[in-house]
This record gives sequence, structure tokens and C-alpha cells, in this order.
Amino acid sequence: IAGITQAPTSQILAAGRRMTLRCTQDMRHNAMYWYRQDLGLGLRLIHYSNTAGTTGKGEVPDGYSVSRANTDDFPLTLASAVPSQTSVYFCASSETQGGYNEQFFGPGTRLTVL
Amino acid sequence: GQNIDQPTEMTATEGAIVQINCTYQTSGFNGLFWYQQHAGEAPTFLSYNVLDGLEEKGRFSSFLSRSKGYSYLLLKELQMKDSASYLCARMDSNYQLIWGAGTKLIIKP
Repeated sequence: IAGITQAPTSQILAAGRRMTLRCTQDMRHNAMYWYRQDLGLGLRLIHYSNTAGTTGKGEVPDGYSVSRANTDDFPLTLASAVPSQTSVYFCASSETQGGYNEQFFGPGTRLTVL
Repeated sequence: GQNIDQPTEMTATEGAIVQINCTYQTSGFNGLFWYQQHAGEAPTFLSYNVLDGLEEKGRFSSFLSRSKGYSYLLLKELQMKDSASYLCARMDSNYQLIWGAGTKLIIKP
């Protein structure tokens, strides 16, 4: 079934640990995005990639890194997790960036940093 | 978000009509999106407006006024399954989406 998958579904992590959230899409979309969603704040863009091999910073990039080695995968890494990174993380993709390009979302990863 | 305002919560009755408003910063505007998000699930696309006026899609319609920085989502013939959060997002000059905090819609029988 075409779409976006994310792993893990949920994770409890000790502060200071390194963690990679995985995201894979099979729609051959060029653009991919990582958002975090916190109660009362809405979705905030962490990093994005307009095409394989390129990445860019969003609104809240500090403490996170991404890579885009191929079209399908867009992992998000927390180098040293802190409690303020407790959130629900959504990966999304769109055919291209800009204009009428619906973003398709993965099911999300619920991350708790203690 | 960056100056996207929508009500936090609204309540409506099954079978009725509800209008969810969204106001946004007009500078660097490249389109307005509405998404639906059921509790514990991912957002799903509802509508896109880039020109002024009303876009109708079944029971859902979306309106845009670019000069006023204003949009609304109109839901008709409300059903219980419409209970969800509705997210307004504007596309900025860098073609990124800036999201509102969402409006939680509660439908009562």
C-alpha cells in the first residue's frame, strides 16, 4: 500500500541518548518534511528536503539533523535528547515543493524524553 | 506558528452547519490549506485556496479573502465522524507551510 511509514511508533528515551526516527515513502515524492506537534502550538517544521541530496532548516532545527541519501528515506536524528524534545513527530512528503502540493503524513512517532 | 489564528475549540450539533475561521499574516502568501486531524492520527488534506472565493467539495467548502488575510472552512450536514481538529496552514514565500494550532470541533448528537 502506497504511503509513508514511520518507526518507531513510540519511544521512551533517557536524556542524553542519541535517537534516529525513521521515515520511508514509496510515492516517489521529491519533497519530504519533518514536523513536531505539541499541544497548543500546532505543527512546526524541523527540517525539510526538496529533493534527494539536499536538506534545509525549518522553524525549529536546533538539536536535530537529517539526511536524504535517496528519494524514499528521510531519517531524523536527535544527537543528544533533551526533555523539551518530548513531542509527536510527523514525517510528510509532497510531489514537489510549493503551489498546490498536498502533503501526505506518516502515522507519527510519539517520543518521550525523561 | 507565525500569526495564524483560529479558535481553539468549537461545538456543533449533528446535522447542522459550522464555520471555522482562520486569519493569517498576508505578507509572503502563497496559498491556504485546511487539514483534518482525528485524535491520535495524522493530518489529512481537505482543501487548498490560492485565489479569492469559495471552493466547494462535497459537504466541505473553503473560502479565501487574500486582502483580508481570512479564510474559513464550512462543514455542512455534520456527522459524528466530523469530530476532529481542523488545521489551517498558509504557504509562505519559501513555499513552506506555517500552521495554526488547530480548532477542535466537538459534534453533539
